[in-house]
Amino acid sequence: EVQLVESGGGLVQPGGSLRLSCAASGFTFSSYEMNWVRQAPGKGLEWVSYISSSGSSIYYVDSVEGRFTISRDNAKNALYLQMHSLRAEDTAVYYCARVKVRGDIITGALDIWGQGTMVTVSS
Amino acid sequence: DIVLTQSPDSLAVSLGERATIKCTSSQSLLFSSNNENYLAWYQQRPGQPPKLLIYWASTRESGVPDRFSGSGSGTDFTLTISSLQAEDVAVYYCQQQYSTPQTFGQGTKVEIK
Repeated sequence: EVQLVESGGGLVQPGGSLRLSCAASGFTFSSYEMNWVRQAPGKGLEWVSYISSSGSSIYYVDSVEGRFTISRDNAKNALYLQMHSLRAEDTAVYYCARVKVRGDIITGALDIWGQGTMVTVSS
Repeated sequence: DIVLTQSPDSLAVSLGERATIKCTSSQSLLFSSNNENYLAWYQQRPGQPPKLLIYWASTRESGVPDRFSGSGSGTDFTLTISSLQAEDVAVYYCQQQYSTPQTFGQGTKVEIK
């Protein structure tokens, strides 16, 4: 079964750090681009970060640039999001999501999502 | 950044009736090299992660019921549910992958009338 499972969320004080993990299974992880998407309580979806299949290309939304770092370990089938200098507005469910490939064409759409991990930034 | 605006914010439709959601982009999402629009639609039921319904504006994801269809090109897109079922109660989002940062519409909540 194709699956993504996030972990590492929790309660952290403003200014603190947290590292999220996403364990992939059921597919060749090293062949797929990956993203982190977050959703604040009761709000809509916000794209956070992207990483290419090899890890050589990385992008972030402006609001996390310089504070968050996306990375991957293809040998361990794992995606990570290291978060520093956390703010109250970072409070959200964080999802990892796979980019859909059709044939050998990258569609850009997100076809597999994890269940999410909750990050709460509060004193 | 590309802004996606969905309308309406919410709608209530009777079972078996049609539901139509629009998504307007602040710039064209048509990629000239492959003539595809980089616009996707997702369904999010309460307490669940989003589920991909449509990609490339009109291509239905495998396993998605054919009552869901997507149309449009350039800057104007539509998601149609041809005959609303009880299990379609959810929030629906459009998303563009044409340029970074990827962006989502604000969401449209679909309920049963």
